[in-house]
Amino acid sequence: QLQLQESGPGLVKPSETLSLTCTVSGGSISSSTYYWGWIRQPPGKGLEWIGSSYYSGSTYYNPSLKSRVTISVDTSKNQFSLKLSSVTAADTAVYYCASLKGGSSPYYFDYWGQGTLITVSS
Amino acid sequence: DIQMTQSPSTLSASVGDRVTITCRASQSISSWLAWYQQKPGKAPKLLIYKASSLESGVPSRFSGSGSGTEFTLTISSLQPDDFATYYCQQYNTYLTFGGGTKVEIK
Repeated sequence: QLQLQESGPGLVKPSETLSLTCTVSGGSISSSTYYWGWIRQPPGKGLEWIGSSYYSGSTYYNPSLKSRVTISVDTSKNQFSLKLSSVTAADTAVYYCASLKGGSSPYYFDYWGQGTLITVSS
Repeated sequence: DIQMTQSPSTLSASVGDRVTITCRASQSISSWLAWYQQKPGKAPKLLIYKASSLESGVPSRFSGSGSGTEFTLTISSLQPDDFATYYCQQYNTYLTFGGGTKVEIK
């Protein structure tokens, strides 16, 4: 059974870049079965998909965030990461990493990290 | 972009009730739909994928149906552990979540 754990600073200043890492255990990030993704949830609101990546480097981004998002996979560390640039207060949210089942593209999320609250404030 | 609309946004029910939540897509998504349950302070949990396939370990009182643009999640007999917020998610084109349905105690 996969386990995922987010890590990164909990406070980011406006206009800076948010950086998070997700460490995967219980399985290989190079598995052909899985995609790897990020989701966020502003306080008291719903879920928003940020983007997903395959171990090979193929990426899929939410069109509304695409210009600011980079997701990458480090197979040597069994980790994947998220970078979100030019953040504002609207990016304050709980950020989750998750594994996705997929085929030619990512499908649905089956294993999730516990989530980490990121606050954007000066 | 495909928009997902859930109804109702809040549902009040009692233990033992049959509960139905609806999710509508702005265009056809075939059966490419998943359902999740989320409790406060916790990550979502996968319940249903491909519209009607039950994830391993999920109680059989949960069921999903539908195709095209209209889908339903049904809880046949609501249990105390089922009070939570439920989300649908399409994966026909990119990934989009519905706005959520909170199931609360009546």
